[in-house]
Amino acid sequence: DIVMTQSPDSLAVSLGERATINCKSSQSLLSSSNNNDYLAWYEQKPGQPPNLLISWASTRESGVPDRFSGSGSGTDFTLTISSLQAEDVAVYYCMQYYSAPITFGQGTRLEIK
Amino acid sequence: EVQLVESGGGLVQPGGSLRLSCVASGSTFSSYYMHWVRRAPGKGLQWVANIRQDSSDKHYIDSVKGRFTISRDNAKSSLYLEMNSVRAEDTAMYYCAAGGGYLIDQWGRGTLVTVSS
Repeated sequence: DIVMTQSPDSLAVSLGERATINCKSSQSLLSSSNNNDYLAWYEQKPGQPPNLLISWASTRESGVPDRFSGSGSGTDFTLTISSLQAEDVAVYYCMQYYSAPITFGQGTRLEIK
Repeated sequence: EVQLVESGGGLVQPGGSLRLSCVASGSTFSSYYMHWVRRAPGKGLQWVANIRQDSSDKHYIDSVKGRFTISRDNAKSSLYLEMNSVRAEDTAMYYCAAGGGYLIDQWGRGTLVTVSS
């Protein structure tokens, strides 16, 4: 199974400042057949289901604010929120969909400082 | 876009059984790869199982193999999770989820399963 490890476990950032969450996979998520990384980012707010933010490591989903961006390839990935807003308080997860079983990182809790 | 509504959760005793259902609307259910994902209290997301559009392929996490069965009925736009021999560690919110493949891009609001005597 592919193990996903996020850092940090929790993060407190001031409004308007940058937030950075890292995700490392135990094996490469880069497909040699299509040159895509099978890595997604989700946010989950209290009482709500998860919401897909980023797919293929760096493709922002429709309707997701452009302050959210994803980067990285292979085994190391990053989610960046360029200017933190109050509504961004949530738990963030990376997920690999390269192979079954699909696996998530343990989550990063983002709070306002 | 597909709307997903789960049902069937509740309180069940250890060793008991439960059947979760998920009804889809708004789009062609048969075109979606379907998944069950859970979140235990105080824990993170955990993918549980998935099933291909035509039911020809299914996968499970090791901890539920032999106890849980995923199935679907495309004519009824429905997904199921048969849960047998449940354990305390199966206590969680269970989400029905959909995608074109292994990427999950649609989620239901969840149904809560509590395993306790």
